[in-house]
Amino acid sequence: GQQLNQSPQSMFIQEGEDVSMNCTSSSIFNTWLWYKQDPGEGPVLLIALYKAGELTSNGRLTAQFGITRKDSFLNISASIPSDVGIYFCAGQSNTGNQFYFGTGTSLTVIP
Amino acid sequence: DTAVSQTPKYLVTQMGNDKSIKCEQNLGHDTMYWYKQDSKKFLKIMFSYNNKELIINETVPNRFSPKSPDKAHLNLHINSLELGDSAVYFCASSPNQDRPQNLNEQFFGPGTRLTVL
Repeated sequence: GQQLNQSPQSMFIQEGEDVSMNCTSSSIFNTWLWYKQDPGEGPVLLIALYKAGELTSNGRLTAQFGITRKDSFLNISASIPSDVGIYFCAGQSNTGNQFYFGTGTSLTVIP
Repeated sequence: DTAVSQTPKYLVTQMGNDKSIKCEQNLGHDTMYWYKQDSKKFLKIMFSYNNKELIINETVPNRFSPKSPDKAHLNLHINSLELGDSAVYFCASSPNQDRPQNLNEQFFGPGTRLTVL
């Protein structure tokens, strides 16, 4: 199955710093989703994007659907310790119900 | 009122055994999925299933089989468990693909950690 390229693989940042991560695909997607996974839990949906160029915010999180429809990025502003976790992107094409996941970005926030 | 639930949370079993993991969603979704998450945290799709078709990832061994008694449930049955089957298995669901695109969200269960000894 297709795997999306997500970068960076891991990040270690100081509390209060901003974070940016992105996801790229060789295929065009109609939907981009961003998830956060805490240890021992399932991925939780953070933001959903449905239109090329769309910019959507959820509190301190902002995500954008790339114009080419082959990429997306997630920004976290003013990071706090509870932002720690693994962030996944996921894309869906218009040809089926399959969601393809990125390789994940592990975020560590140092107080 | 958990949206997607899985049981058991933890499953420890001997190699060669047959086991099942249950999944239920109360979101009224038409499509359900099973994912395997390995030790490197890669999420790998195993199956997607709605009342119309079952899509199987060709890399999944035929020892794994999804069973859906109704639209709200998709159980995962595993025969002849092997050491390499140890992983966390996630169930997920999403609305029908025929619905408006802006409802294409996927929700995950809490996961089942399978350990094969």
